[in-house]
This record gives sequence, structure tokens and C-alpha cells, in this order.
Amino acid sequence: ILNVEQSPQSLHVQEGDSTNFTCSFPSSNFYALHWYRWETAKSPEALFVMTLNGDEKKKGRISATLNTKEGYSYLYIKGSQPEDSATYLCASRGNQGGKLIFGQGTELSVKP
Amino acid sequence: EAQVTQNPRYLITVTGKKLTVTCSQNMNHEYMSWYRQDPGLGLRQIYYSMNVEVTDKGDVPEGYKVSRKEKRNFPLILESPSPNQTSLYFCASSSLRQADTQYFGPGTRLTVL
Repeated sequence: ILNVEQSPQSLHVQEGDSTNFTCSFPSSNFYALHWYRWETAKSPEALFVMTLNGDEKKKGRISATLNTKEGYSYLYIKGSQPEDSATYLCASRGNQGGKLIFGQGTELSVKP
Repeated sequence: EAQVTQNPRYLITVTGKKLTVTCSQNMNHEYMSWYRQDPGLGLRQIYYSMNVEVTDKGDVPEGYKVSRKEKRNFPLILESPSPNQTSLYFCASSSLRQADTQYFGPGTRLTVL
């Protein structure tokens, strides 16, 4: 994988559903993986920065895991709420601190 | 307070009239970057800088210039703006330390008529 890819592109769930999405990134020269929450017309808000293989991070109902050997990260949202509706971006940085490369994002819509 | 500031926040201009959007950070970050956000296209990188006097093209650099004369400032210059540069622009900065996040500015909404 040369780019950062996210799937699915969009997701529609009901309030209370748990959901997860995937970020795939180049595994060679891996340095760090970032997750952001982004509401339209606002600045992206940092959720997690993950650096170690097997890392798991949690913030409230949102958690993320990291597999640097195979080049993927999962973001989980437990019991989705309408206020979780946003685009979730991941970004990978390689080469001991090079350019940060963003995926296209997963747009989550949570219906009450 | 640690922050990234952008000015102006909103700008309406006409085709061909040179403009500069300023970006400043107070966190002594080495890395700074400009992005544009357009509906359905996500966040696209315009230019980035790894340190003073070091700049590189991102994915969509055409029609833009940048400079990094000081560590804290990274202005975005549109020499001859065109309507297809109407967009929402974000500046961002980060250190190059492994576990540090990237901070985004509040955004600049630019309309070119």
C-alpha cells in the first residue's frame, strides 16, 4: 500500500449501534498513525496518535487499535450517538517524521 | 494557550487579485502544512514545510506559493487567484516527535469571484 486508505467511505447507523472502520497505511518505515474527528466547516479534532504495534487507545466510547506489521488500524465507536456524526480521518507519518498523509475519511451518520 | 491562528477567517476576492493567507503557531513546531477542503474530496494537502526554509509540494500545489522564513509563520500566497481556488483552507502544525499530534487552525473560507 502506497497511500492511506479508509473504508468504508460512508456509514449510516442507528443510535445505539456500535460501529468500526478501517485505515490501511504503508507498513514500511512506519512512524506514527493519527486519528481525527472532523465536522464539516470546522477544524479536525485530534483523537489519537498511535506509535507501537499492538497499541490500543480509548477516549470515552471511542477506541482504536494498531497493527504496524500489516499496516492497518481500526477505530471503534461503542453505542453510537447522533453527536458522533462526523468524518473520521486517519493519517500516517513515516520515515522518522516525514510528511503526514491523510486518508479520504469515513463519513459517519448516526440517526436517532 | 497553544494554538494555530489563520487570517483572515473569511475572504471574498476577485480573479487575479493577489492575496496572502497568514498562518502562525506558537508551539515551536517544525512541521507546518496547508490543506484545502472541498465537498466530496476530503482534505488535500497543498504544501508542507519540515523546517525553516524547507518547503515541499503536496498533492495540489498548482496556483499556490508558500514561504517559511521563520519557524512560527507559514503564509499561503495566491498570486493570481481563480474561481477554482474557492475553498476552505486549513493550516496545521506539529512537532516531529513520534507521539505528538498535528494541530489545525480554525480555517479560512475563501471565495474567488
